Amino acid sequence: KAGVTQTPRYLIKTRGQQVTLSCSPISGHRSVSWYQQTPGQGLQFLFEYFSETQRNKGNFPGRFSGRQFSNSRSEMNVSTLELGDSALYLCASSSGTAPYNEQFFGPGTRLTVL
Amino acid sequence: GNSVTQMEGPVTLSEEAFLTINCTYTATGYPSLFWYVQYPGEGLQLLLKATKADDKGSNKGFEATYRKETTSFHLEKGSVQVSDSAVYFCALSGTGTASKLTFGTGTRLQVTL
Repeated sequence: KAGVTQTPRYLIKTRGQQVTLSCSPISGHRSVSWYQQTPGQGLQFLFEYFSETQRNKGNFPGRFSGRQFSNSRSEMNVSTLELGDSALYLCASSSGTAPYNEQFFGPGTRLTVL
Repeated sequence: GNSVTQMEGPVTLSEEAFLTINCTYTATGYPSLFWYVQYPGEGLQLLLKATKADDKGSNKGFEATYRKETTSFHLEKGSVQVSDSAVYFCALSGTGTASKLTFGTGTRLQVTL
C-alpha cells in the first residue's frame, strides 16, 4: 500500500506571497490532518479534514486554511506569508474512525519564507 | 487542555546501553498514547501505541506501558543501536478528538559506538 505523499517537498517563498501544499493520503483513509513543526514551537496541530469537512481546528490564524476533495486528497493554503511561517508542514492520514486513529505521516513539505 | 511532557535531550548513549525516555501526560478521559520517531530529513513514523490503561506497546525492541495511575508512558529499549539515533516524540490522542495528536517536545537520541 502506498504511503502518504506530500508535494512539493521543498518550497521557497517571500513574505506576502501565498502557498499551497498538497497531501495524498493512504488509499481508503478518509481523514487528513496537518501539523506544523518548528524548532521553537515543536509539533502543532493545524486542522483535520474528514470526508471533505473540517472536523478539528488548532489555534492558528485565518491565514492558514485547508480543504479536502472527494478523493480524500487535501490541500493546505497559507496566505500573506510571514517569516515565522517557515517550518516543516506534515500531513497525516488515518481512517478517521473513533475511538482512536493510528495516523500515518508523510515526509513533509519544508517551507522557507524569505 | 491536553499536554505531554518529555524529558529534555539530547540523550547520548553507547551502543548496547539501556534506554529510557520519560513521558508524562495530562488529559481528561482515556487518551490513546503513542511514540513516534523522526529520522533526519523525514516525517514521523509510528513506533508503538497503547490505547488503554496497562496496555504495553512494543515494536523493534522498544516498549512502553500505559500507566494511568502515574499518567506516564515511558519508552524503553534494552540495547540500543547506532541506527536508533533519531528524535523520539511522545503523543496523545484525546477522547472525542481522536484525530488531533498532542505532542511532547521531542527527545533527541544519539547512540555512539
